[in-house]
Amino acid sequence: DVQMTQSPSNLAASPGESVSINCKASKSISKYLAWYQQKPGKANKLLIYSGSTLQSGTPSRFSGSGSGTDFTLTIRNLEPEDFGLYYCQQHNEYPPSFGSGTKLEIK
Amino acid sequence: QVNLLQSRAALVKPGASVKLSCKASGYTFTDYYIHWVKQSHGKSLEWIGYINPNSGYTNYNEKFKSKATLTVDKSTNTAYMELSRLTSEDSATYYCTRSSRIIRGTLYVMDAWGQGASVTVSS
Repeated sequence: DVQMTQSPSNLAASPGESVSINCKASKSISKYLAWYQQKPGKANKLLIYSGSTLQSGTPSRFSGSGSGTDFTLTIRNLEPEDFGLYYCQQHNEYPPSFGSGTKLEIK
Repeated sequence: QVNLLQSRAALVKPGASVKLSCKASGYTFTDYYIHWVKQSHGKSLEWIGYINPNSGYTNYNEKFKSKATLTVDKSTNTAYMELSRLTSEDSATYYCTRSSRIIRGTLYVMDAWGQGASVTVSS
């Protein structure tokens, strides 16, 4: 199975700042990485798939990059609603697997 | 508006089974696979498996093959997951999600999620 390693585990930033979250796969997954947002009391939300394709409704301040084993989620000009948990997930092969999560908190 | 409405929390005894439901609305049920994902308290997400509502075909994570059984009722647009021989390790929140059958390369891209169903295994 493909192991997904996310970093950092925790991240604190202020509204208006930019942040990056990294995800590393244990083997090449081509471009097939997705990013999800998890917030209490809300359904998990798909943000990006295939490395850099924004899901419909995802604000343009979110962007994804990378291929092979190394990927990055960047959020520019943080909004208050962006704080929460973020997970990466490889969707290249069976079984799909998730990273351990990054908690983005308000500084 | 796409909605996956899950059954609520369940408290079950060790050794028993539980059947969770996931009622889909706002889209054509048979155009999307239904997946189930486990999240133990404070931990990450694990993919359990998926079902094709059109054919009933299922594919499971090896880890959950003897634990979970996925079914659907097309007449009510509802998916089910039964968990058997429950232990404390099965205490978690379980999510149903969907992925497109139409868009290539997105089998495991989960574009809508239910709100989650908490299962607690305790005597």
